[in-house]
Amino acid sequence: AQSVAQPEDQVNVAEGNPLTVKCTYSVSGNPYLFWYVQYPNRGLQFLLKYITGDNLVKGSYGFEAEFNKSQTSFHLKKPSALVSDSALYFCAVRGSNDYKLSFGAGTTVTVRA
Amino acid sequence: EAQVTQNPRYLITVTGKKLTVTCSQNMNHEYMSWYRQDPGLGLRQIYYSMNVEVTDKGDVPEGYKVSRKEKRNFPLILESPSPNQTSLYFCASSRLQGAFDEQYFGPGTRLTVT
Repeated sequence: AQSVAQPEDQVNVAEGNPLTVKCTYSVSGNPYLFWYVQYPNRGLQFLLKYITGDNLVKGSYGFEAEFNKSQTSFHLKKPSALVSDSALYFCAVRGSNDYKLSFGAGTTVTVRA
Repeated sequence: EAQVTQNPRYLITVTGKKLTVTCSQNMNHEYMSWYRQDPGLGLRQIYYSMNVEVTDKGDVPEGYKVSRKEKRNFPLILESPSPNQTSLYFCASSRLQGAFDEQYFGPGTRLTVT
């Protein structure tokens, strides 16, 4: 069975500092990996995805993520966080042989001014 | 405007009273899916559909039914709701290319079963 782990329930950073949100996964076959963000009282919005190719993926709003196959990780990063980045972030995975999508429990990011 | 719509947005009902939450998308997407969001558990997939008349179970299908008679619609049916189905529900859709495309999410339906 496939699964996603987001080991940190909360991440707190100061504005202007680097932001990292961790994600590890378990899946059969090659992984397709995604990051989504949820702002309060809103649906989820897509940030970025890894399907194949370059291990460093760039996405919306200045976010990027690094795929590490040996560590089965797909950490989300932003070099300089903004207060407006405060939200709930979800990592998701799908195996190449399956159309079922599994999400992590989510990480709440708070960026203080 | 490309969007996924859900109705109703809020629903309070009683145990055992059948209900349907509708989901519709205007992007001609093949793939549609239902999720429930619970604190500490993230999103869990209930059912998904890869095209008309093609549906499959996600991780938590018990107590739910779906149908896909038209490409744009994917209703979620609770035949006999129970309090443990109180949750925030999201519908999503995406293209189904060779790999997988990002999903577009609806605004959510907050369901309370008493």
